[in-house]
Amino acid sequence: KAGVTQTPRYLIKTRGQQVTLSCSPISGHRSVSWYQQTPGQGLQFLFEYFSETQRNKGNFPGRFSGRQFSNSRSEMNVSTLELGDSALYLCASSPQTATYEQYFGPGTRLTVT
Amino acid sequence: TQLLEQSPQFLSIQEGENLTVYCNSSSVFSSLQWYRQEPGEGPVLLVTVVTGGEVKKLKRLTFQFGDARKDSSLHITAAQPGDTGLYLCAGLYGNQFYFGTGTSLTVIP
Repeated sequence: KAGVTQTPRYLIKTRGQQVTLSCSPISGHRSVSWYQQTPGQGLQFLFEYFSETQRNKGNFPGRFSGRQFSNSRSEMNVSTLELGDSALYLCASSPQTATYEQYFGPGTRLTVT
Repeated sequence: TQLLEQSPQFLSIQEGENLTVYCNSSSVFSSLQWYRQEPGEGPVLLVTVVTGGEVKKLKRLTFQFGDARKDSSLHITAAQPGDTGLYLCAGLYGNQFYFGTGTSLTVIP
């Protein structure tokens, strides 16, 4: 089976812009979770989607949003980008829910200037 | 809020040495996972422990879940350069995994 894929791998944006990141889970996996990884805060949970519904949400501002499509592919959107949003954004898929084994993608490196 | 603290934060050792990484919290977790992450890649799951006091072995890696399910340790025997990477613990609290601060391990040939 192909692993989790994320596009794009690298992205440079300017403050105030918005960005959309994409994640394709492992075939058959219905749960997709998003995480933000920074040197200072480590890996922090953003949200989880299961069967097109947001199942769980972390402690991030409303500028961070996501959605999941019927084929389980997921997108994450960040509006009004701030310098502090620079991070590695990781997507993880799971067969059932994120409380089971998670398989991570390689991430999207976002730099906000 | 960091529910899980890992120590040490950085570790540099010679090939063949043994090491232990600790993952501590004041919270009780339903389960705990260990991951290894290499530069430019996402974390890769190494093990899941569920029962307090549980010990799991994966070749030269030994994982232990504390009796009270608040802490865990990862012990590597005879470290090899291929063990180099960022080791992360993640505890399941409620219906969400909380990740530790990470331990960056470098094994020098």
